[in-house]
Amino acid sequence: SQQGEEDPQALSIQEGENATMNCSYKTSINNLQWYRQNSGRGLVHLILIRSNEREKHSGRLRVTLDTSKKSSSLLITASRAADTASYFCATDARNAGNMLTFGGGTRLMVKP
Amino acid sequence: DAGVTQSPTHLIKTRGQQVTLRCSPKSGHDTVSWYQQALGQGPQFIFQYYEEEERQRGNFPDRFSGHQFPNYSSELNVNALLLGDSALYLCASSYRDRVLYSGNTIYFGEGSWLTVV
Repeated sequence: SQQGEEDPQALSIQEGENATMNCSYKTSINNLQWYRQNSGRGLVHLILIRSNEREKHSGRLRVTLDTSKKSSSLLITASRAADTASYFCATDARNAGNMLTFGGGTRLMVKP
Repeated sequence: DAGVTQSPTHLIKTRGQQVTLRCSPKSGHDTVSWYQQALGQGPQFIFQYYEEEERQRGNFPDRFSGHQFPNYSSELNVNALLLGDSALYLCASSYRDRVLYSGNTIYFGEGSWLTVV
């Protein structure tokens, strides 16, 4: 079963705009990780945020975590056509031992 | 530093056959997990190997089995293939924190595309 749910399922924006993707989950977590997947390829790790952190930045990426609402968001600023991909959040539940539970993903299209 | 490597990248099998997929974890990692990703869906956890033993298992039948070798590499075996086993199989590696048992970045390989006809 999928713990996380991404919202929206699909997002289409123009190059240069910001893209925001949201993720909700159900159980207590150790951390939450965001991944990118280009069509038919493997998962590329973007950022890990721990349960005691509220915000992390990496380049044009900003991730927030609200454990009280069991939700996270990924913001991609100044998007580029190369950002076109599917984005997944994955939770590492407490005592789950590095077992990730994924949502269904957000399919982002950035138009040049 | 090589990342997670998987082989083969693509393969086609017939219903009822058996398949073996292989994975080498990232250097320094000792834990290997396998995930199945059907088209248009998020990955689903199959099982995890650490110290050559299966430590955790997702909701997959016994037709799915695995092995971890002393050099931390791993194999995923699927017996009696069904059409529904067609998917991208992803290997993930991580370092197991001896205290927390989790919490580290998990890296994925490029996957093995399995088509069952």
